[in-house]
Amino acid sequence: GEDVEQSLFLSVREGDSSVINCTYTDSSSTYLYWYKQEPGAGLQLLTYIFSNMDMKQDQRLTVLLNKKDKHLSLRIADTQTGDSAIYFCAENPHGQNFVFGPGTRLSVLP
Amino acid sequence: NAGVTQTPKFQVLKTGQSMTLQCAQDMNHNSMYWYRQDPGMGLRLIYYSASEGTTDKGEVPNGYNVSRLNKREFSLRLESAAPSQTSVYFCASIAGESYEQYFGPGTRLTVT
Repeated sequence: GEDVEQSLFLSVREGDSSVINCTYTDSSSTYLYWYKQEPGAGLQLLTYIFSNMDMKQDQRLTVLLNKKDKHLSLRIADTQTGDSAIYFCAENPHGQNFVFGPGTRLSVLP
Repeated sequence: NAGVTQTPKFQVLKTGQSMTLQCAQDMNHNSMYWYRQDPGMGLRLIYYSASEGTTDKGEVPNGYNVSRLNKREFSLRLESAAPSQTSVYFCASIAGESYEQYFGPGTRLTVT
């Protein structure tokens, strides 16, 4: 069955780059997504990448996709305290049906 | 645009009680979803509705029912609440061909 895996915790210093990694199992996913969840709030779509792309850059965010290894990463440049949140990777192996990872809690230290 | 709204924000139920969680979106989206979020488990799909008048089961539908009342509204009903249903419930709707999901703020439910 489908499964999305992420490490649960990541700590970085303010100003450093953060790299959050994700592995997924279903190669039929058309898009792969990164969501951000701040405390007490719903998920907010950060960015997504079409499955035939290798990289997508959006301001401080860079998404890398390695289809061969089924590996997705999110790099946040110049990480700020406001970036502290839980980050979820998600795939949609059956069109409108989504599978989410467990989330990576990013802590940004001053 | 209010986006996706959910009511109530918090609810405490006793085992065996029933309740309905309400969700509405004003973005004219066809597809709507209900998820539950438990610590360390990400989001799990309970039910979804691809269009008005249709609903489908997700990964964890047992103990829940849904109604797609119209294009805007998608409700989730717990007929006989159990402590295992203590969770945070999120409603979402989808835009466009890239399936971008927009989430509501969540309902925090505790069943004692």
